[in-house]
Amino acid sequence: EAQVTQNPRYLITVTGKKLTVTCSQNMNHEYMSWYRQDPGLGLRQIYYSMNVEVTDKGDVPEGYKVSRKEKRNFPLILESPSPNQTSLYFCASSSADRGNSYEQYFGPGTRLTVT
Amino acid sequence: RKEVEQDPGPFNVPEGATVAFNCTYSNSASQSFFWYRQDCRKEPKLLMSVYSSGNEDGRFTAQLNRASQYISLLIRDSKLSDSATYLCVVNFAGGTSYGKLTFGQGTILTVHP
Repeated sequence: EAQVTQNPRYLITVTGKKLTVTCSQNMNHEYMSWYRQDPGLGLRQIYYSMNVEVTDKGDVPEGYKVSRKEKRNFPLILESPSPNQTSLYFCASSSADRGNSYEQYFGPGTRLTVT
Repeated sequence: RKEVEQDPGPFNVPEGATVAFNCTYSNSASQSFFWYRQDCRKEPKLLMSVYSSGNEDGRFTAQLNRASQYISLLIRDSKLSDSATYLCVVNFAGGTSYGKLTFGQGTILTVHP
């Protein structure tokens, strides 16, 4: 089954404790992306990757890191989480070529709470 | 001004009604446009892409107006199952930004019996 998986689905952590949210897709998609969703602000792009070893900042990259060492995985790293990073996070993937994005498939979301 | 703007609603309509949503975008270099649907606490899912010539999928019709920089979604004969948040998505392409997608904040639709 074609899918995007995220882990963990729910996480409660404390300020400053490094964490990683994993994202994996089995569709051989070139493009992967991370979003956060907050009430009243909608979905905002954090980072995206057009292919292996190619990453770029989205609208809200501060406080986050990503890596794309393999095509199927795109982990999101919070080196020192803060309460303002409490949010619902979505990973997505799609096939793409320059200038065009195709249908994005989203993971089920990770609800992160930083106390 | 936000890059992508939608009327957040909520829109409350009876079954069978026709409802239309608009979405405006600020960057004229935008190349791809989409409508996504998101159910409560679930991941967004593609409803339809929006083409310059307009496109229709059953009860849903999407239009793009590049001159005025807006896209629209029309839902005819609304069903209870259409209740969701509808997200307008724009792909800005240019330079190295060809992967940057911007979402509107979403329009909430509630269809009641």
